[in-house]
Amino acid sequence: SAVISQKPSRDICQRGTSLTIQCQVDSQVTMMFWYRQQPGQSLTLIATANQGSEATYESGFVIDKFPISRPNLTFSTLTVSNMSPEDSSIYLCSANPGQGDTIYFGEGSWLTVV
Amino acid sequence: EDQVTQSPEALRLQEGESSSLNCSYTVSGLRGLFWYRQDPGKGPEFLFTLYSAGEEKEKERLKATLTKKESFLHITAPKPEDSATYLCAVQAGAAGNKLTFGGGTRVLVKP
Repeated sequence: SAVISQKPSRDICQRGTSLTIQCQVDSQVTMMFWYRQQPGQSLTLIATANQGSEATYESGFVIDKFPISRPNLTFSTLTVSNMSPEDSSIYLCSANPGQGDTIYFGEGSWLTVV
Repeated sequence: EDQVTQSPEALRLQEGESSSLNCSYTVSGLRGLFWYRQDPGKGPEFLFTLYSAGEEKEKERLKATLTKKESFLHITAPKPEDSATYLCAVQAGAAGNKLTFGGGTRVLVKP
């Protein structure tokens, strides 16, 4: 299995501010994925981040709100911009380290916007 | 559009009371069906991947099966530590490696 580390694990944020979440994988991966899990809900894919190209966003998610960086094959960041209480969620990073098609997840970053 | 539906939404079991969780799916060209376990406040933990109808996989008290329309996660003689939310997700042929998740089944096993 892969080890995927996220920072911060938890944060309380003020309305209108932005927060950047970091994701580190213990092996080189081509694609990394960012998911959102709203309270009591399942996971929804925000975007797919490929190294060396622009991230691909799912319907309902835009780059201005969720800018993503992918500077190398083991690291990615997701920024949640101009936060509102509706952005209170767990944000999860995931990747396929090449062991078949299995996708592994980090522990998540639990954001509460007040 | 790929769709995944899990039932029931919640399941309360007595310790030792076996049961099954259902995951029905509609997808164009299934590449794989995944089961994850998620504890409160944590990220999903990978359990199984199933690729073709008739395939079965087991891990301790859990057994996953797959048909052309649905998957079952059987929990045999559960223990309180099996309490968690169980998530089902599909990976479609045209969608690359991204996963589409169902709503999950919250399982509570009481001693």
